[in-house]
Amino acid sequence: GENVEQHPSTLSVQEGDSAVIKCTYSDSASNYFPWYKQELGKGPQLIIDIRSNVGEKKDQRIAVTLNKTAKHFSLHITETQPEDSAVYFCAADMYSGGGADGLTFGKGTHLIIQP
Amino acid sequence: ETGVTQTPRHLVMGMTNKKSLKCEQHLGHNAMYWYKQSAKKPLELMFVYNFKEQTENNSVPSRFSPECPNSSHLFLHLHTLQPEDSALYLCASSQGIGLYEQYFGPGTRLTVT
Repeated sequence: GENVEQHPSTLSVQEGDSAVIKCTYSDSASNYFPWYKQELGKGPQLIIDIRSNVGEKKDQRIAVTLNKTAKHFSLHITETQPEDSAVYFCAADMYSGGGADGLTFGKGTHLIIQP
Repeated sequence: ETGVTQTPRHLVMGMTNKKSLKCEQHLGHNAMYWYKQSAKKPLELMFVYNFKEQTENNSVPSRFSPECPNSSHLFLHLHTLQPEDSALYLCASSQGIGLYEQYFGPGTRLTVT
């Protein structure tokens, strides 16, 4: 099955600086890579995703890059703000013998924005 | 608000109790999921339903019993749980299975005493 590794587990950056979170995956059949943001007391919220037919996607201050050959993808947040403080999860679609199933998640990165 | 609601938000139950978690999605999606989120562990996929049919049971113990009466509702029936089952249980939905965005509910915080 799919295995997703995420680093770092905790990331502290100064407000206004950039933050980068990295993930690797094991199943070359995976084609969909979403990123979720989870704030305290809430469920994960999709912030950006990328599919295997593109190498990069950007949405305002957030960007995601994908390297299918190396099987890794990254989340980039620029000009960080206090409201960016949260736990971020990467994920990859998973497959069993019968076809696509749910998502396999990384362990999460606790992003702390220092004022 | 993601369009996925879960009740109750918090639940405390003893090991001999029977309780149920409820999830409802208002997005017109066809697939629904149960995930377990424990401290310091990744979200774990438990069950997947597509058009009311269960397509995945990720080796979940039988003390967890899912039910999907229609594409908008998903239940998780709980009985004779163990303290290690204490966790946040998250429901999600998506248009289909595979390359579709999943939208999560706020979760039910379950404590087993």
